[in-house]
Amino acid sequence: SQTIHQWPATLVQPVGSPLSLECTVEGTSNPNLYWYRQAAGRGLQLLFYSVGIGQISSEVPQNLSASRPQDRQFILSSKKLLLSDSGFYLCAWSFATLEGETQYFGPGTRLLVL
Amino acid sequence: GQNIDQPTEMTATEGAIVQINCTYQTSGFNGLFWYQQHAGEAPTFLSYNVLDGLEEKGRFSSFLSRSKGYSYLLLKELQMKDSASYLCAVRPGPYGQNFVFGPGTRLSVLP
Repeated sequence: SQTIHQWPATLVQPVGSPLSLECTVEGTSNPNLYWYRQAAGRGLQLLFYSVGIGQISSEVPQNLSASRPQDRQFILSSKKLLLSDSGFYLCAWSFATLEGETQYFGPGTRLLVL
Repeated sequence: GQNIDQPTEMTATEGAIVQINCTYQTSGFNGLFWYQQHAGEAPTFLSYNVLDGLEEKGRFSSFLSRSKGYSYLLLKELQMKDSASYLCAVRPGPYGQNFVFGPGTRLSVLP
């Protein structure tokens, strides 16, 4: 079966510091991968998605970037965090089958920028 | 543009039935999804509809009408643990990989 891991679970960072969040998927090959952000009490905002190694599509212009160095690894980064970057960051994966394509979420990283 | 609407909050009583509605306007349609999200946790997949009609899964059922751009999630025999946010999401088309999420409906189940 497939599992998705994210770390760290929680993170407190000062404004202006760098960020690196990692997501890995097990049990599947060539998944589509996604990064979402959810502000407190709000909906999910798609940040990036990737259909393969080195292929990244950005949905929202911001000071964040994403990379996919390996098939099942997705990294979210920032060189300088802003207060507005605080939120719940969720990694997700999906894979197309004859029955359709469903997204499954990792446990998330709660980021607080002070 | 892409737009999904859901009620912000709903309240229901333990043991009752509740229906959470979702309407969508998207550039295309390749499936509608419902997720459950407990406070502080990640969303978990509940159901998937791509054809019109009702899909039943235990206490949860989901309905889709593509011509009306409408779906609902029906929760029967409500339990306290069903208190959560329920997210409606649409995949606009087969050639885009992004999913569009609604704002979520926060359901409170009261004793």
